Amino acid sequence: GESVGLHLPTLSVQEGDNSIINCAYSNSASDYFIWYKQESGKGPQFIIDIRSNMDKRQGQRVTVLLNKTVKHLSLQIAATQPGDSAVYFCAVTPLGYSTLTFGKGTMLLVSP
Amino acid sequence: AAGVIQSPRHLIKEKRETATLKCYPIPRHDTVYWYQQGPGQDPQFLISFYEKMQSDKGSIPDRFSAQQFSDYHSELNMSSLELGDSALYFCASSYGRNSPLHFGNGTRLTVT
Repeated sequence: GESVGLHLPTLSVQEGDNSIINCAYSNSASDYFIWYKQESGKGPQFIIDIRSNMDKRQGQRVTVLLNKTVKHLSLQIAATQPGDSAVYFCAVTPLGYSTLTFGKGTMLLVSP
Repeated sequence: AAGVIQSPRHLIKEKRETATLKCYPIPRHDTVYWYQQGPGQDPQFLISFYEKMQSDKGSIPDRFSAQQFSDYHSELNMSSLELGDSALYFCASSYGRNSPLHFGNGTRLTVT
């Protein structure tokens, strides 16, 4: 089976800082990785994804890093803003499957 | 852009009653997923459908059933409701496998 975990339940940063949220996964057959942001009362919102044939992917203010050797995934948010405050989940799926397994969320708190 | 639509947004039922949740995927998306999220928990996969056929099954209780109709909308039917069924129920859709899931804003079910 697949288990996904996050290292920190809560991350508090100052506005303008860079944030790093980490995620560990257990199944070496995991092939597709997604980061989601969830605000209170809303569904998870897609941020960025990466496939196992890559180790880095950049979006707008966000970067995802994948280390398959140690089965570790991270989300970096540059110049964090108060609007980034939310719970962040990593989700993984093994090759050939469509079902995403979510990790435990990390709450990101951004103070002005 | 069109998003995943879920109805109702809130639902209050008593123990042993039944409930039906509806999901309208993003147009042209062929896969629908149902997730359950308890308070402070990560979303747990229940069941998914690809082209109107059940594709994957997760931790869905036998008291629950779901289907996807010819117009691709999906319904989650829940019977003999228990207090522990109180949760947020999310529907997500995607185009094909190993592509981002796009989530609706969920149905909050409260069982009293």
